[in-house]
Amino acid sequence: DADVTQTPRNRITKTGKRIMLECSQTKGHDRMYWYRQDPGLGLQLIYYSFDVKDINKGEISDGYSVSRQAQAKFSLSLESAIPNQTALYFCATSDGREQYFGPGTRLTVT
Amino acid sequence: ELKVEQNPLFLSMQEGKNYTIYCNYSTTSDRLYWYRQDPGKSLESLFVLLSNGAVKQEGRLMASLDTKARLSTLHITAAVHDLSATYFCAVGLTGSNYKLTFGKGTLLTVNP
Repeated sequence: DADVTQTPRNRITKTGKRIMLECSQTKGHDRMYWYRQDPGLGLQLIYYSFDVKDINKGEISDGYSVSRQAQAKFSLSLESAIPNQTALYFCATSDGREQYFGPGTRLTVT
Repeated sequence: ELKVEQNPLFLSMQEGKNYTIYCNYSTTSDRLYWYRQDPGKSLESLFVLLSNGAVKQEGRLMASLDTKARLSTLHITAAVHDLSATYFCAVGLTGSNYKLTFGKGTLLTVNP
């Protein structure tokens, strides 16, 4: 079984809808991250969390919110999706030395 | 603000040739990573470089780090088609609580 899982893997939604992307990990890491990847732009950090009570904004947090339900679960929400949030979203965990990435969620907002 | 620049962004090379991808960064860092990404897939960790002068090799890929020049290189030796992918470098700021800043990636295509 994969150590970092993301659901859904693909999602198409309409402008204005609320959507949640979920991330779960079995690695036992405290640190979790959400990134967004757009073609030609690398990965940009949206939010990160070092434990259930510690959540921080990244470079591009506007339009997104997160919830750390447990050490193993970190969810990303788009409160009102817009087309320019169409992207590939990655969750990652860290042991303080490396980051380990989930398989990604491809989100399309029409 | 930490900035990470990779070059080239696009690289087309023939099998059997050698080439180097460069990663420059703007402020002091204590960690540099190289990742590989195949189309539509996740990121696969290739190398973690933690000290000045660090050199790591895996197969046809070799990565090095010069913290004084704020430069890392990923050298490809005798390229083969299977190395075709996008390669990212990522830099961690000292004391930044393990956040990473990524370069834009280098799309490598190895032609027969």
